Amino acid sequence: GDSVTQMEGPVTLSEEAFLTINCTYTATGYPSLFWYVQYPGEGLQLLLKATKADDKGSNKGFEATYRKETTSFHLEKGSVQVSDSAVYFCALDSNYQLIWGAGTKLIIKP
Amino acid sequence: DAGITQSPRHKVTETGTPVTLRCHQTENHRYMYWYRQDPGHGLRLIHYSYGVKDTDKGEVSDGYSVSRSKTEDFLLTLESATSSQTSVYFCAISQGMDPSYGYTFGSGTRLTVV
Repeated sequence: GDSVTQMEGPVTLSEEAFLTINCTYTATGYPSLFWYVQYPGEGLQLLLKATKADDKGSNKGFEATYRKETTSFHLEKGSVQVSDSAVYFCALDSNYQLIWGAGTKLIIKP
Repeated sequence: DAGITQSPRHKVTETGTPVTLRCHQTENHRYMYWYRQDPGHGLRLIHYSYGVKDTDKGEVSDGYSVSRSKTEDFLLTLESATSSQTSVYFCAISQGMDPSYGYTFGSGTRLTVV
C-alpha cells in the first residue's frame, strides 16, 4: 500500500542554519503531497502542499518540490529560527485519505 | 474563536471502562476525522464521517466507535478502554473530501488508560 517515509529525528540545528527534512513516498499514480507542522501542545497545521509533479509548495520561508523521479518531497528552509522548533509531518493523499509519515522533530538552538 | 475544539484535553481512566471524547466544530464542514498519534507512527485514522449519521472505519478502528448526530459534533467512544489505547487523539475537519482543501486539527486529547 501507499506509504510515507521521513528522516528520523530529532534534527538539531543552530539558528540561521539551512534546513532539509527528507520525505520519500511509495504510491500508485501521482498523489498530492503535504507538509504539516505541529507546534508544542497544539494540533497540526497545513504548512504547504503540491498537487502535481514538479510543483513547488511554499509558505513561511519553507519550500518543498514534488519530485516524481525520486518520489520525494523534501522540506527546506534557508535560515531557521527558534520559533520553527516543532514536529514536521509529511503526508500523501491516497484515495482521499491522508497517509502520514512518522514525523520529524526539529530543535533550533539560539 | 477556535473553529474546532476537543474535550476533554486530558483524561485518565481505568482499564475496562468506556470513554467518550468529543469534537465540536463551528465551521459547518462536512468531513470530520478521528486520529490517534503515537510515537514512531505519525497519525493513524480511526474513523471518519462524511455527513450526519454517515461514518466509516479507518485503519485502526478496532475497539472504537463513533457517532455523528449533528453536523457540529463527532464523538469517539472507546467501548472498553485498554492500555494500548493510551494515546493522543486528534480530531480534524475538512470542507471537502479532497485533502487538498487542508485539514484543520483540534488541540488533541491526551488519554491515559491505567
